[in-house]
Amino acid sequence: AQKITQTQPGMFVQEKEAVTLDCTYDTSDPSYGLFWYKQPSSGEMIFLIYQGSYDQQNATEGRYSLNFQKARKSANLVISASQLGDSAMYFCAMREPLGGYNKLIFGAGTRLAVHP
Amino acid sequence: DTAVSQTPKYLVTQMGNDKSIKCEQNLGHDTMYWYKQDSKKFLKIMFSYNNKELIINETVPNRFSPKSPDKAHLNLHINSLELGDSAVYFCASSQIAASSYNEQFFGPGTRLTVL
Repeated sequence: AQKITQTQPGMFVQEKEAVTLDCTYDTSDPSYGLFWYKQPSSGEMIFLIYQGSYDQQNATEGRYSLNFQKARKSANLVISASQLGDSAMYFCAMREPLGGYNKLIFGAGTRLAVHP
Repeated sequence: DTAVSQTPKYLVTQMGNDKSIKCEQNLGHDTMYWYKQDSKKFLKIMFSYNNKELIINETVPNRFSPKSPDKAHLNLHINSLELGDSAVYFCASSQIAASSYNEQFFGPGTRLTVL
């Protein structure tokens, strides 16, 4: 069963506008964490933002914010004031506890294109 | 000051060959990982080591053998390479933490092409 679902293979946004990238997850563990990573065309994986399952407030990091809706099991990434450099693949990932350790399960990714 | 480094960045080789990819982290982390990213960009964990001990071993052909000589290094050796092994292999590291924030820092990736 897919644990992390990103339903948007590709998204387009106009420069300076906001965009929301969807992510839903599935877990029965009460303690989990959700991450977003960016992968530009150069290939590296860049950590953007983290949300813990017990965090009371939605995470924010600069232009990135996470719209965390626990009951709906969604953790959507919101990028405000899009820039051309935001064009990249974006991956949602869930930290899954495994016998005292952790592993990350990744979604299939969303390719974002920012247009001037 | 590269946090997680991998060598080589590109690797082109023939089917049937044996090759190794090396990874080093200077973050003082206890845990290191190998991920495979296929041609459709899907990223999947292969192995994880904590302080030189194998803790995660996903369903990976036994032609793949990780080795961790110390907690700062994690190498991946692949025997009898097949066309399907062509992918980008990422090394990552993190602090070990049972149930808290545990960001993984990724290396630049090694693009393996098997001809």
